[in-house]
Order: sequence, then structure tokens, then C-alpha cells
Amino acid sequence: DQQVKQNSPSLSVQEGRISILNCDYTNSMFDYFLWYKKYPAEGPTFLISISSIKDKNEDGRFTVFLNKSAKHLSLHIVPSQPGDSAVYFCAASKTSYDKVIFGPGTSLSVIP
Amino acid sequence: GAGVSQSPRYKVAKRGQDVALRCDPISGHVSLFWYQQALGQGPEFLTYFQNEAQLDKSGLPSDRFFAERPEGSVSTLKIQRTQQEDSAVYLCASSLQLAPSYNEQFFGPGTRLTVL
Repeated sequence: DQQVKQNSPSLSVQEGRISILNCDYTNSMFDYFLWYKKYPAEGPTFLISISSIKDKNEDGRFTVFLNKSAKHLSLHIVPSQPGDSAVYFCAASKTSYDKVIFGPGTSLSVIP
Repeated sequence: GAGVSQSPRYKVAKRGQDVALRCDPISGHVSLFWYQQALGQGPEFLTYFQNEAQLDKSGLPSDRFFAERPEGSVSTLKIQRTQQEDSAVYLCASSLQLAPSYNEQFFGPGTRLTVL
């Protein structure tokens, strides 16, 4: 039973346009949400996070939106750059000290 | 470098062989996590240490899997009598776990285990 879902295995976006990566979760106990980015042959790297007390968090070109009632979050990348091409994992945990549950990932390709 | 390191990067084992995977976390990081990542999937939690204490091992798939962190720094994940289904990338991550890090974890590059 997958608690964190990323229903789009892949996404292609033109350079300079917006990339929107979606994530749904089933466990209403999740309170912290994170996005990680992964290049081939490397470990995931932390990108941005959001607590359930917020509905938006922004860091440069990256913004995460959280809709708790819909159990849905999204990552927006504006403008998209070719270096953003990677696999993006959505992740969630019940507390800031609890184990993190990862989604299956979405592979983003930004086309020059 | 100051990041999380893992060794070996690649390991090929014959079915039934025991393997040991090593993780060197970032110096001073209290928490250490092990994950198993199958092809095309996200990392799946295996176990978690806070210093030398193993606080959660609920993700270990069988009693063939054993992890330790005896001095609260380097950790070893041991898999006994490896099976083909153990083939995966094993990721180690460490974390300061001080607010407001929101559980931000720093991952190593992983060890790709192939069991023949």
C-alpha cells in the first residue's frame, strides 16, 4: 500500500517554461513533506520542504504548494532549466523526527 | 569531502554469500538511515539510528538483514545468505535532526548490490 504517490512517471518541459510535479498521499498523519532531486549514480539531494502549518514555501525557482484537505502537494519550477533534468522524489513523515516515506519518483526532462 | 560516503560503490555477490555495506555519515550528524531502492522505485526505509541506538528497524525485510552503528558514527549494513531479491541500491543518509531541518537528510551515493 503506497502511502506517497507520484502518478506521473515522467514529464517533459521546454526550457524556460514551468514544470509542475505532483504528489498525493494517503496518510493523514503526515505533517512534513519534502522534495528530493536525484541525478543518475548519485544519492538524492534535498530540495525544499514544507510543514503542514503552511500551504506554500518558496526557495528561488522552486515553490512547493500543499493542499492538506486534498492530501496533495506540488512542486513548481520556474523557469525550468536543462540542469533541472533529474528524478524528483516526493517524501513525507509524521513528525520532524520520524522516518521518511518516499514516492516512486517523477523523471523530469527539460528540453533546451 | 564533507558528504556521506558509502563503500563499496558496487558489489556483486553469489546467492548465499554474506555482504557488508559501509556508511560514513557527515561528521556530527546524530541520525543515520538506511534505505533500499529497487529499480524504478523510491527509496524504502530500512532502519534508523540515533547515535549508536537503533531506534527503528521496522523496515528490515527479514532477519537476514542486520545493521549496526557501534560508536555512533560509521554504520554497517550486513546481509546474510543473500538472495536475488536483495539486488538493489542501498542508500545511507545522515541528518542533524535539529529543527527546523524538517528531517532534511543528506544521502550518500549508494551501494549497488547485484546478487547472481
